[in-house]
This record gives sequence, structure tokens and C-alpha cells, in this order.
Amino acid sequence: GQNIDQPTEMTATEGAIVQINCTYQTSGFNGLFWYQQHAGEAPTFLSYNVLDGLEEKGRFSSFLSRSKGYSYLLLKELQMKDSASYLCAAYYSSASKIIFGSGTRLSIRP
Amino acid sequence: DGGITQSPKYLFRKEGQNVTLSCEQNLNHDAMYWYRQDPGQGLRLIYYSQIVNDFQKGDIAEGYSVSREKKESFPLTVTSAQKNPTAFYLCASSGDGQETQYFGPGTRLLVL
Repeated sequence: GQNIDQPTEMTATEGAIVQINCTYQTSGFNGLFWYQQHAGEAPTFLSYNVLDGLEEKGRFSSFLSRSKGYSYLLLKELQMKDSASYLCAAYYSSASKIIFGSGTRLSIRP
Repeated sequence: DGGITQSPKYLFRKEGQNVTLSCEQNLNHDAMYWYRQDPGQGLRLIYYSQIVNDFQKGDIAEGYSVSREKKESFPLTVTSAQKNPTAFYLCASSGDGQETQYFGPGTRLLVL
């Protein structure tokens, strides 16, 4: 199997920092996606990590450790509009497909 | 503007009826995908196509059918054999040698 595990729900405060973790199975793994999905809308692409390390893109950063099968999405200076589900997804080149996690529903409180 | 369009936004199906969901892209992407999303769930792959006139079953293909006669279009038919079709259906495409998939706005299918 190619299970993707991430927390179901998280809550954070406006202006704060939150880290959403994701673990995946490493066999055949090529890269790790993060998507943002607001309720009732389509997922939008946030990041794709292939190499180990942290990649920063404005208020959002994504980290990958290939040897540990672990990634996280870091959101800084949280805004109310960041309330959404965040989907972790792993690309397996051996199967030529992306496997999606169930998503982490992030709620931001004032 | 380049992008992926899906229609309709909402679709109602009667018992025993086949319905077809449209997906069109003008990104010149070779690969297209159909996913199903149930409430609180991740995306599950129904069918995908990496090139015109070719497609493969995903993880939950039973009760669905597709065609890929044109590069721009990848319609999905939900047949009467799909006993639990109520879900949010998302179409995606990828291309230019990249793995990143870009999604259309989705179609919400409801059974009457």
C-alpha cells in the first residue's frame, strides 16, 4: 500500500504559525505535493518537494525528508482566509500516479 | 485564459440513469485524470489518460467509463452500475513533463 497519514483537524490563532505533518511510504516515492482546498472548491497547488530540505514560498514553507518518509507544511502569519483543508499527496513514479491523503482541516480563530 | 473547465457545476441523477460529466482543458496537457471526493475524504482516482485514445483504470473505476478522443477533452460517464454516485468529481491535467496536476472547479453529483 501507499498510505498517506496526516492529522484530520487542527486549530490555530490568527497571526500565529502552524505546522501540518504528513508521513508516507517511501517505496517507489518520487516527490511530495501540498494542495490547499477551500470548502466546496477544487484543490489548488501549493508546493512540490523532490529533494530533502525546506522550500519557502512567501508565508508557506514545505519540508521533506526522503529517508524518514516525512513532510510538513508550515504556515506563518496565519490569516482567516487560510482556513481550509490541506492535502498531502505523494507521487510514486513506479506507478505513475499521485496518492492523496484525506486532508487536514485547518480552522483559524481570531 | 488557460485552464480546466468542468460542467455542469451541479448535476442530478435519477435512479438507473447514466450521466456524463464534462472536462475540457486548453493547457495543451497530455495527461488528464478523474477523481472522486467524498465528504471528509481524500481524492480517489477513477480513470486517467496519458495520451489521446488511451486511458487506464484507477483505484475505483467500477461503474464509470471515459473516452479520450481529443487531447482537450476527457468526459466521465457515471453509469447506473455505480450504486453510490453522490460525490464531488474533480478533473485534473498535467503536462510539459511535470508531475503537478491542476484541477478544474469540480462537479457535484447528487442522486434524486
